[in-house]
Amino acid sequence: KAGVTQTPRYLIKTRGQQVTLSCSPISGHRSVSWYQQTPGQGLQFLFEYFSETQRNKGNFPGRFSGRQFSNSRSEMNVSTLELGDSALYLCASSQGPTTNEKLFFGSGTQLSVL
Amino acid sequence: AQSVTQLGSHVSVSEGALVLLRCNYSSSVPPYLFWYVQYPNQGLQLLLKYTTGATLVKGINGFEAEFKKSETSFHLTKPSAHMSDAAEYFCAADGGSQGNLIFGKGTKLSVKP
Repeated sequence: KAGVTQTPRYLIKTRGQQVTLSCSPISGHRSVSWYQQTPGQGLQFLFEYFSETQRNKGNFPGRFSGRQFSNSRSEMNVSTLELGDSALYLCASSQGPTTNEKLFFGSGTQLSVL
Repeated sequence: AQSVTQLGSHVSVSEGALVLLRCNYSSSVPPYLFWYVQYPNQGLQLLLKYTTGATLVKGINGFEAEFKKSETSFHLTKPSAHMSDAAEYFCAADGGSQGNLIFGKGTKLSVKP
């Protein structure tokens, strides 16, 4: 069974641009969560989608948005990029929506904002 | 709000020595607790989790953790470190109704030959 796939692996953007990151969950998984990882703040929850609906959202500005498609694939979008958005963005999938489910993480997308 | 504290951002042990990584959570209601490992340039992999029941939880790669409610702790141990254990380790707790995981800042484990 293929794992969680995130594309692209690396991305370089400039301030003010927007970016879209993609996540394909493990086959059969219906929940996708996104986390931002930075050296200073560690891992912070962005949002979670289950069956195309956003279930939960972390404390991030509205520039961060996401969606989930009917095949459970998910995208997250960051508009008007800021230098502080440079981070590793991790996607995780699970079968169900609860946090006692085992989360499977992708290798992440490393975003650099110049 | 729930918070997770990992004591020590860096821990260094010799190969064959005991590994002890510390984690404390803040909630008065014991949450579900997790330990994840992250190898360089990779995502996180679940080592073990505590939900209910037995307080000593065994995970993969010889790791185990003990849930101590009185100390609000969930420390990770391994009797004998191996070079391949060098990685960053994250303790996490479920965010309750928020439906997310709350992570500690991580502990980078180095293993000396």
